[in-house]
Amino acid sequence: DSGVTQTPKHLITATGQRVTLRCSPRSGDLSVYWYQQSLDQGLQFLIQYYNGEERAKGNILERFSAQQFPDLHSELNLSSLELGDSALYFCASSPRTGSNQPQHFGDGTRLSIL
Amino acid sequence: GQQVMQIPQYQHVQEGEDFTTYCNSSTTLSNIQWYKQRPGGHPVFLIQLVKSGEVKKQKRLTFQFGEAKKNSSLHITATQTTDVGTYFCAGRAAGNKLTFGGGTRVLVKP
Repeated sequence: DSGVTQTPKHLITATGQRVTLRCSPRSGDLSVYWYQQSLDQGLQFLIQYYNGEERAKGNILERFSAQQFPDLHSELNLSSLELGDSALYFCASSPRTGSNQPQHFGDGTRLSIL
Repeated sequence: GQQVMQIPQYQHVQEGEDFTTYCNSSTTLSNIQWYKQRPGGHPVFLIQLVKSGEVKKQKRLTFQFGEAKKNSSLHITATQTTDVGTYFCAGRAAGNKLTFGGGTRVLVKP
């Protein structure tokens, strides 16, 4: 158990819809990262938050947005969903920001777009 | 931008044999991390290398950071079925975010 909690575990929805994925980092971790993993693909970095503020942005679509709340949990919002958005979405956390911090991953949310 | 590439993409190994997977960066890295993702699981941090030429061992796994800090390797000896999974390297150049490679998917033949 990594200590990172993601909900829901599975999400099935239709094209054009909007969903929210939730992540609670490990206790004490201030940084949260979001990744997208399509079938048999690598990890595509989407966005990072540190202590409530956006820290780094990757290949995140304009239809996607995220935020980190004062209690440090984070939400990833995906809107105007397309079939290609079907993927496993991981959240990871680390104590601080910086590349020397190991990231601890949650179990992921599997999003299926019908 | 920074690119991290891993080869091979797939590795079929006979149980008991050794193999090596490689990670190459287009830029000099500050450090490199390795993660393992079991089938159906999430990536789990294995190790971090920081110094040029650094070598670290974890039981049957040997990790190496290149002298130029642009490549790394993971060598597994006497492969077991528990080694099945995808191994990712992740590196960061100064001032950039951590970038993951595409992973090496390891399948073990008993």
